[in-house]
Amino acid sequence: DAGITQSPRHKVTETGTPVTLRCHQTENHRYMYWYRQDPGHGLRLIHYSYGVKDTDKGEVSDGYSVSRSKTEDFLLTLESATSSQTSVYFCAIRGLTGRGTGELFFGEGSRLTVL
Amino acid sequence: AQSVTQPDIHITVSEGASLELRCNYSYGATPYLFWYVQSPGQGLQLLLKYFSGDTLVQGIKGFEAEFKRSQSSFNLRKPSVHWSDAAEYFCAVGEGAAGNKLTFGGGTRVLVKP
Repeated sequence: DAGITQSPRHKVTETGTPVTLRCHQTENHRYMYWYRQDPGHGLRLIHYSYGVKDTDKGEVSDGYSVSRSKTEDFLLTLESATSSQTSVYFCAIRGLTGRGTGELFFGEGSRLTVL
Repeated sequence: AQSVTQPDIHITVSEGASLELRCNYSYGATPYLFWYVQSPGQGLQLLLKYFSGDTLVQGIKGFEAEFKRSQSSFNLRKPSVHWSDAAEYFCAVGEGAAGNKLTFGGGTRVLVKP
């Protein structure tokens, strides 16, 4: 158990409404990530954070914003949800081994449906 | 930009038979390579990783993978598949400092026949 909690686990919303997904970790890891998973695309990186208030874009960041005001929480916000953002969202934290090899530990996922 | 290709979308294998999943990557520098497994409705679990040294890497659940730089491949193998190995498998390559940004392939779904 890597100590990652995502909330909500399931959400149905309507087009145009704002949505915030929360990722909470108890491991005090510096790096946190948001991925989305869609059939045939594997996992695609949305945004990641390398420290409090330090974030960067991934390959599919359009329409998403993130915030990290404290080490343990990483929020993903869809300012105005669209049907193309229907997906399963995974949060991940980066475990540091003795050689810092970047192994990621994943949460259970948040399934978002935008009608 | 780095990329990962998993040519097989679905593979069906009989229980007890061997399994090989293919992964090809595109990355200019020495890659950090990973294989993850995802059971239905679950998150991803790391099977094994490669960053340097011996090109044959052993992982959990009896899996191994071999890094071949000349072929830009990191194929996953298991000698004898169990029904519990039915899942989706993802190959990933890491870039940046110690591979802190992972790019994933599209995944291979494995079905195990009794």
